[in-house]
Amino acid sequence: AQKVTQAQTEISVVEKEDVTLDCVYETRDTTYYLFWYKQPPSGELVFLIRRNSFDEQNEISGRYSWNFQKSTSSFNFTITASQVVDSAVYFCALSDGRGSTLGRLYFGRGTQLTVWP
Amino acid sequence: SQTIHQWPATLVQPVGSPLSLECTVEGTSNPNLYWYRQAAGRGLQLLFYSVGIGQISSEVPQNLSASRPQDRQFILSSKKLLLSDSGFYLCAWSVRFLKSYNSPLHFGNGTRLTVT
Repeated sequence: AQKVTQAQTEISVVEKEDVTLDCVYETRDTTYYLFWYKQPPSGELVFLIRRNSFDEQNEISGRYSWNFQKSTSSFNFTITASQVVDSAVYFCALSDGRGSTLGRLYFGRGTQLTVWP
Repeated sequence: SQTIHQWPATLVQPVGSPLSLECTVEGTSNPNLYWYRQAAGRGLQLLFYSVGIGQISSEVPQNLSASRPQDRQFILSSKKLLLSDSGFYLCAWSVRFLKSYNSPLHFGNGTRLTVT
């Protein structure tokens, strides 16, 4: 069964600090996908990134970067030079197994990030 | 482009009253559809999913039911609400094809339900 653990319940930083959100997953599948979502105070879930299990290259998008390491089953998310607008709950998610036509995702419990001015 | 609409945005209902939340998707055909609930602890719990009209699967036994009367319409219902049904309900869709496991979910804006 798929499982995602986000051990950090809440993180507080001051603006311009870097912050890393941890995500550890469990799966028996050899092919799978990992996702990060952002949930701002308004409530909607915003898709940030998708990563497949065969691509361990780090990805950078502006101030966001993702570090995927299969050896430790981790998919960590780093925000560089954080801003107040980054304050949100961030969810890591793991896809259903290969061959599934469902596209169901298994979510971690989320990390509440608060960025203070 | 695809859009997902969910309403109402907020709802306050007394215990024992019925519930109907509606979700529609535009700009795509044959989507997978999902209802998630986010309780006070912030975790996202999958309630129902559907891979086609009239096809509903329930993840957890509960006081709620779901229906898919049309391809892009997904409805969450209850005959009698309980206090424990309070929460934030999110509808989502994903592309349905052979490799749906790599398809991200696209969420609606959610409905905040308070049962009093």
